[in-house]
Amino acid sequence: DTAVSQTPKYLVTQMGNDKSIKCEQNLGHDTMYWYKQDSKKFLKIMFSYNNKELIINETVPNRFSPKSPDKAHLNLHINSLELGDSAVYFCASSQDRSPTDTQYFGPGTRLTVL
Amino acid sequence: AQRVTQPEKLLSVFKGAPVELKCNYSYSGSPELFWYVQYSRQRLQLLLRHISRESIKGFTADLNKGETSFHLKKPFAQEEDSAMYYCALSGPAGANNLFFGTGTRLTVIP
Repeated sequence: DTAVSQTPKYLVTQMGNDKSIKCEQNLGHDTMYWYKQDSKKFLKIMFSYNNKELIINETVPNRFSPKSPDKAHLNLHINSLELGDSAVYFCASSQDRSPTDTQYFGPGTRLTVL
Repeated sequence: AQRVTQPEKLLSVFKGAPVELKCNYSYSGSPELFWYVQYSRQRLQLLLRHISRESIKGFTADLNKGETSFHLKKPFAQEEDSAMYYCALSGPAGANNLFFGTGTRLTVIP
């Protein structure tokens, strides 16, 4: 009974394509996040959703669009993929948006753009 | 603006030796600080947070507001401690936006 799951685990695609990564949490949490980990292992917040509303967008290009059909899911859609989008993308969730809340991470999706 | 600095990218210690992973932060408000760990082939997970003032797997971290530091310490390193360690800061108030340091890869040599 995985807490935070992501699909797919690996994604290899050509430049210019559009792709989606799905995330689901079964913890009953209200807040979900997307992080990007680059080749140097640096983790950076991309988006945060609380009860299906976007609350943070850290100046990510508008080719990236998060979609939350309900509070258990936060999907990431990427248009016109570029080489620089190659990274590991992590989904996470927390009970709510209190700064003291623990975040629970998914296993990551390794995206490779050729 | 929030900033977390982990000056050591790589750290190697012998089994049984003390270990200290350094973390400094920059934040205008009252910080909430965390250490997250990623073991090989496992997902990122919380190790400890300063608000709990607890010891997890023998690790402790004390928030030093004067030095703006939150160093992670363990008196006797074990092989299973080998992992990637991230210091993170949460804020601002009303949001739980984690700002991570660049991480330190700890290797414990048997």
